[in-house]
Amino acid sequence: EIVLTQSPGTLSLSPGERATLSCRASQSVSSSYLAWYQQKPGQAPRLLIYGASSRATGIPDRFSGSGSGTDFTLTISRLEPEDFAVYYCQQYGSSPPLFTFGPGTKVDIK
Amino acid sequence: QVQLQESGPGLVKPSQTLSLTCTVSGGSISSGSYYWSWIRQPAGKGLEWIGRIYTSGSTNYNPSLKSRVTISVDTSKNQFSLKLSSVTAADTAVYYCARDESPRRGFDPWGQGTLVTVSS
Repeated sequence: EIVLTQSPGTLSLSPGERATLSCRASQSVSSSYLAWYQQKPGQAPRLLIYGASSRATGIPDRFSGSGSGTDFTLTISRLEPEDFAVYYCQQYGSSPPLFTFGPGTKVDIK
Repeated sequence: QVQLQESGPGLVKPSQTLSLTCTVSGGSISSGSYYWSWIRQPAGKGLEWIGRIYTSGSTNYNPSLKSRVTISVDTSKNQFSLKLSSVTAADTAVYYCARDESPRRGFDPWGQGTLVTVSS
């Protein structure tokens, strides 16, 4: 089973700053199968990025994803007040079929 | 657009079976090539994929839960369901249903989630 590690655990930034979130896999992950989600308190997760770098429908272009192999990054170019939330990466492995999530990175207001 | 809504008891006794239903609105559960998943999140913790069912009825389960999980679909009601047997306090969580078009596209949309507490 592939284990995802996210860093940092908490990122304290101010609105307007750039956020860089890391997701590292215990073994190589197909870029096609790497996604990122945003979750606010009391809400379901929201898909931001799929296929490592494709923005989901309606997601602002300040969100971008990159990476390959075992290292993936979610970048928020300029934090807006509504972006303070927890972010999860997720991967899919096919043998056996299994989706796993990282432990999350909390982006909070400095 | 497609919306998902979970329903079911909020309290289940230890050793009993947790049963939840996800109702799909705004589209047919059997149209297109979609997988329908259950995902859970204990309070203050991360997300755990439980399993999924394809529109054909084929299923995949998380190996860590496979012995206790059954996911089924009722196309006539536009619903799919989760049964988790022999529950313990460790199964207390918010349970979400979600759709994925393929593993390449991520889970979207999600239901709002329903809290299930396992307690006597």
